[in-house]
Amino acid sequence: GENVEQHPSTLSVQEGDSAVIKCTYSDSASNYFPWYKQELGKGPQLIIDIRSNVGEKKDQRIAVTLNKTAKHFSLHITETQPEDSAVYFCAASIGAGGTSYGKLTFGQGTILTVHP
Amino acid sequence: DAGVIQSPRHEVTEMGQEVTLRCKPISGHNSLFWYRQTMMRGLELLIYFNNNVPIDDSGMPEDRFSAKMPNASFSTLKIQPSEPRDSAVYFCASSPRDRGMSKNIQYFGAGTRLSVL
Repeated sequence: GENVEQHPSTLSVQEGDSAVIKCTYSDSASNYFPWYKQELGKGPQLIIDIRSNVGEKKDQRIAVTLNKTAKHFSLHITETQPEDSAVYFCAASIGAGGTSYGKLTFGQGTILTVHP
Repeated sequence: DAGVIQSPRHEVTEMGQEVTLRCKPISGHNSLFWYRQTMMRGLELLIYFNNNVPIDDSGMPEDRFSAKMPNASFSTLKIQPSEPRDSAVYFCASSPRDRGMSKNIQYFGAGTRLSVL
């Protein structure tokens, strides 16, 4: 089955700096890659996602890049703010269709701390 | 929309007792997932329902765990008997699965923090 590795496990940055979290996946059939943000005491919430036919996607201060050849994808947060502090999870999925139901395999998570 | 609603938010019980966790998915969503989150193992998928039917229960750790979805608006995850190693946060997520889009965005509830003493 799919295996997703996420690095780093913890990341500490100063407010205004950029933060980058990287993930690798094992199943070349995976074609959907979401990123979730989990705040303390809450469930994970989707912040951005990318499909395999796109190399990069941006939404305001966050962006995701995908390299299908190398089987890795990354989350980039620019101009970080204290409210960006949370646990971030990457995931990979063979998109829903055919015999697949779009099961998400999650990385282990990255604890991001943004210092004021 | 109120989102995915889970109850209780916290549950403390003693080893050997039965525990039932509840989930109300977002109205109109036809896919439901139960996850377990621990520091050691991260987020693990336990079971997936589509249109109230269990499709993939390969993540259910053992026979002590069971899940049901009697209708489109309610699901339960039961542990009987509970053990200390079951202590974790259990999440329910629902999704408006759309085959045409080839992706299913999952919306998570706030979770139930289970402590088995």
